[in-house]
Amino acid sequence: GAVVSQHPSRVICKSGTSVKIECRSLDFQATTMFWYRQFPKQSLMLMATSNEGSKATYEQGVEKDKFLINHASLTLSTLTVTSAHPEDSSFYICSARAGRNTGELFFGEGSRLTVL
Amino acid sequence: DQQVKQNSPSLSVQEGRISILNCDYTNSMFDYFLWYKKYPAEGPTFLISISSIKDKNEDGRFTVFLNKSAKHLSLHIVPSQPGDSAVYFCAASGQAGTALIFGKGTTLSVSS
Repeated sequence: GAVVSQHPSRVICKSGTSVKIECRSLDFQATTMFWYRQFPKQSLMLMATSNEGSKATYEQGVEKDKFLINHASLTLSTLTVTSAHPEDSSFYICSARAGRNTGELFFGEGSRLTVL
Repeated sequence: DQQVKQNSPSLSVQEGRISILNCDYTNSMFDYFLWYKKYPAEGPTFLISISSIKDKNEDGRFTVFLNKSAKHLSLHIVPSQPGDSAVYFCAASGQAGTALIFGKGTTLSVSS
């Protein structure tokens, strides 16, 4: 089946620094990728939709200047958390859809960000 | 306003019995529904899906039922196994290419 790889799986950083998370579709091209965030014991909340070759579409309440999304190619999207603060500590998950007409999304393994 | 609701945060079942996880939705534009399984510190894993034109889809031990008039779907796992213990998320999608909307999840515990 389609595979989505996410890196790094865990990252610890100091407050004020920036962290980049990569999301790759390994055996298919994804014109659209999605970034989700999950707080402990809560649902996956959609942060933004990443479109190849164009600007990302952010959900209401998500700061686009803080969570920079770049979709430079059909197999790679990156999420950069800029000037990270402890409240940004969370589990970030990317996903991609393998085909146009299927609703199924394939998810990456997730990235646990801890900001000290 | 939560468009996808999983009202039971947890469910405990004995091994070999049936597990029934429920999900309700409010948006009549949803036309594709999926169930994902998630272990801690891992990304969700796709389990089974159903299109709005169907009312049942079966895959091995997993069956999803959809009641469009009630805007309700359920996931049946039979027989339940201890390895099924995880958080189960119900998700819905509108038009193809759009993101999934997730429920809050139900933690299933299967005891041996």
